[in-house]
Order: sequence, then C-alpha cells, then structure tokens
Amino acid sequence: GEDVEQSLFLSVREGDSSVINCTYTDSSSTYLYWYKQEPGAGLQLLTYIFSNMDMKQDQRLTVLLNKKDKHLSLRIADTQTGDSAIYFCAERSGGSYIPTFGRGTSLIVHP
Amino acid sequence: EAGVAQSPRYKIIEKRQSVAFWCNPISGHATLYWYQQILGQGPKLLIQFQNNGVVDDSQLPKDRFSAERLKGVDSTLKIQPAKLEDSAVYLCASSSTSGGLTDTQYFGPGTRLTVL
Repeated sequence: GEDVEQSLFLSVREGDSSVINCTYTDSSSTYLYWYKQEPGAGLQLLTYIFSNMDMKQDQRLTVLLNKKDKHLSLRIADTQTGDSAIYFCAERSGGSYIPTFGRGTSLIVHP
Repeated sequence: EAGVAQSPRYKIIEKRQSVAFWCNPISGHATLYWYQQILGQGPKLLIQFQNNGVVDDSQLPKDRFSAERLKGVDSTLKIQPAKLEDSAVYLCASSSTSGGLTDTQYFGPGTRLTVL
C-alpha cells in the first residue's frame, strides 16, 4: 500500500530557509500536497504539485519534486516565527479522491 | 465566509461509553469528510459523503463507528462503545465539489477525544 515518510522535527533560526523533506512509495502518485497545521487548528492546504512538474513556486514557498526518487520537498524562504507548525506531506493517485498523509514534520522557528 | 464548525472541541469519556461529534460544513459544500488523527500521525480518512450519500467508508470501523448526514448538510460521527485506541482528534472537512484534483478541502478545528 501507499506510504509517506517525513522526518519528525526541524529547527531553524528566524530569517533562514527551511527545507522539509518527504518520500513516498506509490509510483502511481499523481498529485502531491503540502498542508500546514497550527496548534489546535485543522489542516490548511499550502500548495500542491502535479507529478509531471519538477518545481512550483508560490511566494516564499518552493516545492521540488524528484519523481524518479519519489522525493518531495518544501522550502520556506525567510522563515518567520509564524511559520512554526506541523507540515504534512500527502499524495494521492489519479484513481482516488483521498490523499494519504505522512506523520508530519514539526517546524520550530527560534529567534 | 464561515469556516467548518465542529463541536465539542474536547471530550473525555471512559472506555465502553458512547460519544458523538457534530460537524457543520461550509455553506454550499457538497462533500464532507471525517478524518481520525492519532497523536503523532497524519489524518486518516474515516468516511466521505457526497450530499447525503456515502462515497467511501472503507476505513470506518463499522462495528463501533457510525456516521450520518441526513439532510446533506450537518453530519454526526458516533462511537459506541469507545475503546482506548479511539483517543485522537477527529477532523471534519468539506469541499465544494466531488473531490477532484484542485478541489480544496477546508478543515474544521477538530474534536479532541480522550478515552480513559
């Protein structure tokens, strides 16, 4: 079955770039997503990328996809304390409406 | 536009008791989802409704969990009887269409259930 792996924690200094990594196993994955979850809140979709793309940029966010290695990353430029949250990688194949989520990476931004 | 509403926000019960959660999706959203998020894990879909019909309930433990969306708007999720392993955050989400690629799911704040 599908599996999505993420490292559990990342700590960065305010103003630095953050890079959150994700690997997945389903070779039929067609759509990949990044969600943000702040304490006590639900998930917020940050961005998504199609499997036929290598990169997508949206303001401070850059998503890189290496389909050969089944590796997805999210880069946050100029990380701020407000970016502290749990970031979930998710994938879904074309035949399913439902994403499979990773365990989430807890991003801690310190001054 | 009001977001997805859920209640209660927190619930503590003893094992073998029953509990119900309520969700009010964003107005006009046809699709409603219930997810279970165990501490330290990503959300896992329990059930998906399209209007008042069930689209996917393959991961719902039907011996103890039930859900309904009778009028195609609000939904309730029930656990009867609860087990210790049901302790989790139960997230409700809604989307405007039928779950297509760019169909964004909007999540509620969740109900945190603790089973003692």
